[in-house]
Amino acid sequence: AQTVTQSQPEMSVQEAETVTLSCTYDTSESDYYLFWYKQPPSRQMILVIRQEAYKQQNATENRFSVNFQKAAKSFSLKISDSQLGDAAMYFCAYKGDDKIIFGKGTRLHILP
Amino acid sequence: DTEVTQTPKHLVMGMTNKKSLKCEQHMGHRAMYWYKQKAKKPPELMFVYSYEKLSINESVPSRFSPECPNSSLLNLHLHALQPEDSALYLCASSQVLRGLYNEQFFGPGTRLTVL
Repeated sequence: AQTVTQSQPEMSVQEAETVTLSCTYDTSESDYYLFWYKQPPSRQMILVIRQEAYKQQNATENRFSVNFQKAAKSFSLKISDSQLGDAAMYFCAYKGDDKIIFGKGTRLHILP
Repeated sequence: DTEVTQTPKHLVMGMTNKKSLKCEQHMGHRAMYWYKQKAKKPPELMFVYSYEKLSINESVPSRFSPECPNSSLLNLHLHALQPEDSALYLCASSQVLRGLYNEQFFGPGTRLTVL
């Protein structure tokens, strides 16, 4: 069975600084997708960034980028130039052929 | 329209009540999902409908009864709930269930409190 592990329950970063959220996963599948979802307090869960396992190039979306290490089964999220609006719960998620599996989440605090 | 809507936003019910949660999407998605989310926890999958048929039931108690009347609508009927069922109930949809790339779009959720 696939598993997703986020080892940092909470993190804090100064506004305008860079922060990296960690995620590791375990799977025996060769093809899959990885996602980072953001859930602000009392607001909707939205997709931040996705990575196809067969692509070696790391995905980037504006200030958000990932460091995907397939052999190590690692998928970290880097947020550059952190903004107050980035404060949220961040969930790493794995999708093979079937349902999505979420990690336990990392709560990110942005310090003004 | 890339939106999943859910009603009501908040619901308070007694343990003997019967109520329903509703979810709607107009993106032409053929997979729809119900999740239960407790505070500071990830969403837990409850049910998945694929092409209006129940495809996945994650051993959810029978006091939760899903229904998919058509490809745009998903209901969750609630009866004889327990206080521990209080949670945020999220609906999501994706183009299809099977296959690798299927981003799930989430609704805002219904905050349920069972007294």
